[in-house]
Amino acid sequence: EIVLTQSPGTLYVSPGESATLSCRASQSVNNNLAWYQQKPGQAPRLLIYAATTRASGVPARFSGSASGPDFTLTITGLQSEDFAVYYCQHYHNWMASFGQGTKMQIK
Amino acid sequence: QITLKESGPTLVKPAETLTLTCSFSGFSLDSGVGVGWIRQPPGQALEWLAVIYWDDDWRQSPSLMGRVTITKDITKNQVVLTLTNMDPADTATYYCARRRGSFDAWGQGTLVIVSS
Repeated sequence: EIVLTQSPGTLYVSPGESATLSCRASQSVNNNLAWYQQKPGQAPRLLIYAATTRASGVPARFSGSASGPDFTLTITGLQSEDFAVYYCQHYHNWMASFGQGTKMQIK
Repeated sequence: QITLKESGPTLVKPAETLTLTCSFSGFSLDSGVGVGWIRQPPGQALEWLAVIYWDDDWRQSPSLMGRVTITKDITKNQVVLTLTNMDPADTATYYCARRRGSFDAWGQGTLVIVSS
């Protein structure tokens, strides 16, 4: 079973700044990695798939990158609506699992 | 427009079997497409449960130890999840979602409480 470890657990950032969220896979997922945003009381929303591709309608301030087992979600110019919980998820070999999430809060 | 909606009981007793239905529209279970189930206990992280694909192949999370069954009825555009031997730890919001690689469309979720 592939385990995804997200860091940090909580990230305090000021509006207008940039944020970097990390996700490490316990074994290769061949870039079959997605990022989701979840706000309170809402279903998750797909942001990034295939590690680096923005989903339809996702602003350009969201970007994903990959280096081996390490994946990064970067959000530049944080806006008030970006403060939420972010999850990474792999979809390798017809299976799936989620990371434990990073909660982004206003500093 | 793609929509998914979960339905089922809000309250189940310990040891009972939970049956949830995902009714979807706006897409077909064509080649490469699946429908999966994900749950989220109150205040906790997302947990993937199972997924069924267009060809009836399906996968479940190893953590559920065989408690899960997932089936589909393409004539009704529905996917059904059953989870046996329910426990209070299974209290969660249960989501269904379309899988095309990642989960690109989600239902609103349905809260299931396990209590006697």
